[in-house]
Amino acid sequence: DAGVIQSPRHEVTEMGQEVTLRCKPISGHNSLFWYRQTMMRGLELLIYFNNNVPIDDSGMPEDRFSAKMPNASFSTLKIQPSEPRDSAVYFCASSLNLAGTGELFFGEGSRLTVL
Amino acid sequence: RKEVEQDPGPFNVPEGATVAFNCTYSNSASQSFFWYRQDCRKEPKLLMSVYSSGNEDGRFTAQLNRASQYISLLIRDSKLSDSATYLCVVNRSGGFKTIFGAGTRLFVKA
Repeated sequence: DAGVIQSPRHEVTEMGQEVTLRCKPISGHNSLFWYRQTMMRGLELLIYFNNNVPIDDSGMPEDRFSAKMPNASFSTLKIQPSEPRDSAVYFCASSLNLAGTGELFFGEGSRLTVL
Repeated sequence: RKEVEQDPGPFNVPEGATVAFNCTYSNSASQSFFWYRQDCRKEPKLLMSVYSSGNEDGRFTAQLNRASQYISLLIRDSKLSDSATYLCVVNRSGGFKTIFGAGTRLFVKA
């Protein structure tokens, strides 16, 4: 079975450019999470969805960040405009979340470098 | 103060050693607890859930102390392949919000 699929795996862009990261969760999973990981701050939860509905976006750092989940099989995280401090690995994870006991399955991550 | 706190390490231990990691959480309404493992430049993966009564999976033992709000992981007979970062994970009450600690790095040497 396919796991969580993220694209692109690597992105190098210049400050001010728009960045779109994509995620396909595991089929049948009802929760989707976007995390950002840096050496300094570890894994930070940016936003999570349940049944395609955003539940909590309090971790989104600024208005430059936005996330959507138009259907159960696709989500995007957009940064516009990007800044060097956005450089990080962005992970998408999905789970079959029943009463909060679901294991999170992570994609391989999208490594973003903003110059 | 971070919601989930861990000693970042690194812990450097010889093969065969026993090593223990602790983690504290600040939200008393936290509901579920886990340990994840992350290898260098890879994604995190579930190592084990942590139950109130404590649980064991082979060489790994997890404990939860709700009164003191800490979680522990004990690794016995360390192997070279145990070298990784161990992440303490807490689910908020209500179940959806999953918070990761910054991780504890373990190096097992021959």
